[in-house]
Amino acid sequence: NAGVMQNPRHLVRRRGQEARLRCSPMKGHSHVYWYRQLPEEGLKFMVYLQKENIIDESGMPKERFSAEFPKEGPSILRIQQVVRGDSAAYFCASSPLPSNTEAFFGQGTRLTVV
Amino acid sequence: DAKTTQPPSMDCAEGRAANLPCNHSTISGNEYVYWYRQIHSQGPQYIIHGLKNNETNEMASLIITEDRKSSTLILPHATLRDTAVYYCIVRLQGGSEKLVFGKGTKLTVNP
Repeated sequence: NAGVMQNPRHLVRRRGQEARLRCSPMKGHSHVYWYRQLPEEGLKFMVYLQKENIIDESGMPKERFSAEFPKEGPSILRIQQVVRGDSAAYFCASSPLPSNTEAFFGQGTRLTVV
Repeated sequence: DAKTTQPPSMDCAEGRAANLPCNHSTISGNEYVYWYRQIHSQGPQYIIHGLKNNETNEMASLIITEDRKSSTLILPHATLRDTAVYYCIVRLQGGSEKLVFGKGTKLTVNP
């Protein structure tokens, strides 16, 4: 059973471009969480999704950021018109339905905006 | 905001037990104590969790005080690979409760 897969591992974007971060949860997991870790800081919750539904997006910036978890395929975190302040590590976690005793994290995508 | 307080850093000699404290004085009756660690910018790794009884697994032991206002994570024989940031998190089990990470404790295991 493969773990949570995130790709790309490293992503470089110029200011104003779009960034798409993908997360494939563990097999059988239908809960996905996205977290952001700015340099030298702790992880901050962004959004929680189940298949085709956004459950909690209280940590998402109001503009430029969106997330989806379609019926088929990976979860996508999309950042439009990236700025230097978006440079961070973005981690995805998944948990099984219905229990989410523990969340399994991917290795993250490191976004650098130049 | 995180509901826990941890020392920012600790050191431990290789082969010795590492005891990482955590204060969670406002914990409610149905909240669990979870521990995760993050090794050098990798994804966080689940370690252990408990409600009120002490817990042990292949990685660590978790000791929760009787009043549940504090707990200690014990790594019985620390190795260099245990050097990481350790996060103590209070959350409800089940449902959609997200993990709220604080600053954690940077544990350095020295040879």
